[in-house]
Amino acid sequence: EPEVTQTPSHQVTQMGQEVILRCVPISNHLYFYWYRQILGQKVEFLVSFYNNEISEKSEIFDDQFSVERPDGSNFTLKIRSTKLEDSAMYFCASRASFGPGTRLTVT
Amino acid sequence: EDQVTQSPEALRLQEGESSSLNCSYTVSGLRGLFWYRQDPGKGPEFLFTLYSAGEEKEKERLKATLTKKESFLHITAPKPEDSATYLCAVQAGQGGSNYKLTFGKGTLLTVNP
Repeated sequence: EPEVTQTPSHQVTQMGQEVILRCVPISNHLYFYWYRQILGQKVEFLVSFYNNEISEKSEIFDDQFSVERPDGSNFTLKIRSTKLEDSAMYFCASRASFGPGTRLTVT
Repeated sequence: EDQVTQSPEALRLQEGESSSLNCSYTVSGLRGLFWYRQDPGKGPEFLFTLYSAGEEKEKERLKATLTKKESFLHITAPKPEDSATYLCAVQAGQGGSNYKLTFGKGTLLTVNP
């Protein structure tokens, strides 16, 4: 059964640095999503992506964030200048299937 | 604004002791209610989707039910391996195949042997 995959599993970065989180969603799905989960808190919607453009974004998804589908398989989330409060698990999803997540630690 | 409230926040059971988790929701136009299992440090693992009041779905020791205002996840004769956080999420008000979900905080279930 097709699965959503994500890399890396854990990323440590310094405050102010740029990070790119990568996902390979399920190929025949139309919508792709990024969610985040701060430790001990609920899973929060960040952005949905359809037909190579942002379909909807939350208040969390400010100008520091961007998403891209650079080729036919990868889907990326970029954080331009990371802050301490960006430390969280980031999940990619397509339809109702979630990837294993990337744990981002900002120091 | 869509809201999802799960109770209890934590539940501790003895192996074999059946119980239920609750998910109440306030949404404009429910399209689907989802249950997930989440193990520590992992992504949510899909369990069920319910679409209309009165619908029920089962998988092994789990059964999910839906009314117009809430959903229950019934766990029958749980085993220690059922220990996890159970998440409820709603899909609401979106057209087509948009699966944007709003999650509750989850119920942490611990099953002791």
